[in-house]
Amino acid sequence: GQNIDQPTEMTATEGAIVQINCTYQTSGFNGLFWYQQHAGEAPTFLSYNVLDGLEEKGRFSSFLSRSKGYSYLLLKELQMKDSASYLCAVREGDSSYKLIFGSGTRLLVRP
Amino acid sequence: GAVVSQHPSWVICKSGTSVKIECRSLDFQATTMFWYRQFPKQSLMLMATSNEGSKATYEQGVEKDKFLINHASLTLSTLTVTSAHPEDSSFYICSAREYLGERGNQPQHFGDGTRLSIL
Repeated sequence: GQNIDQPTEMTATEGAIVQINCTYQTSGFNGLFWYQQHAGEAPTFLSYNVLDGLEEKGRFSSFLSRSKGYSYLLLKELQMKDSASYLCAVREGDSSYKLIFGSGTRLLVRP
Repeated sequence: GAVVSQHPSWVICKSGTSVKIECRSLDFQATTMFWYRQFPKQSLMLMATSNEGSKATYEQGVEKDKFLINHASLTLSTLTVTSAHPEDSSFYICSAREYLGERGNQPQHFGDGTRLSIL
């Protein structure tokens, strides 16, 4: 079966660092995506990992371990505008390229 | 960057009405588009995969006759919610897959969503 787990909610302080974890069990694997979604808006693409290791993009970094079925999104120098839901999504290995989304993590950044 | 336009952004209509939602890729060709449904405080649930020139592939539990999908061109897919009822009220989001070559990550770009309210 397919299962993607993320914590439901997290709280952090402005200027701090937060790590959002994602574990997955899927029938196939062809990459893992992280999206940010503000309430009432569509998701926006943050990062993509298909090989093990860390991908860094400004204040955001994403890590993948395929053997452990594990990824995390690291947000540095948190800003108030980072308060949003963060969605972990796995692309299955077939030709459909469809994404299976986790339930999302709601991050609240406090002053 | 790649832009996906979704229209309309908000629909309020009476029970029994059919509602059509359009999804367009504005600056790239999308051979594959996806339709999602999202309830409040929940994640995106894939409804169907829409392929240009062929029938859509529906996820388990999604009624094909209820949610009609047409992908007539490389830049346009439509979702029609037929005879909508209050339980169909939800946030519907489309995405389009951008082809960036064999080694590209081929990200999905999302439209702004359509909030459907059935009275």
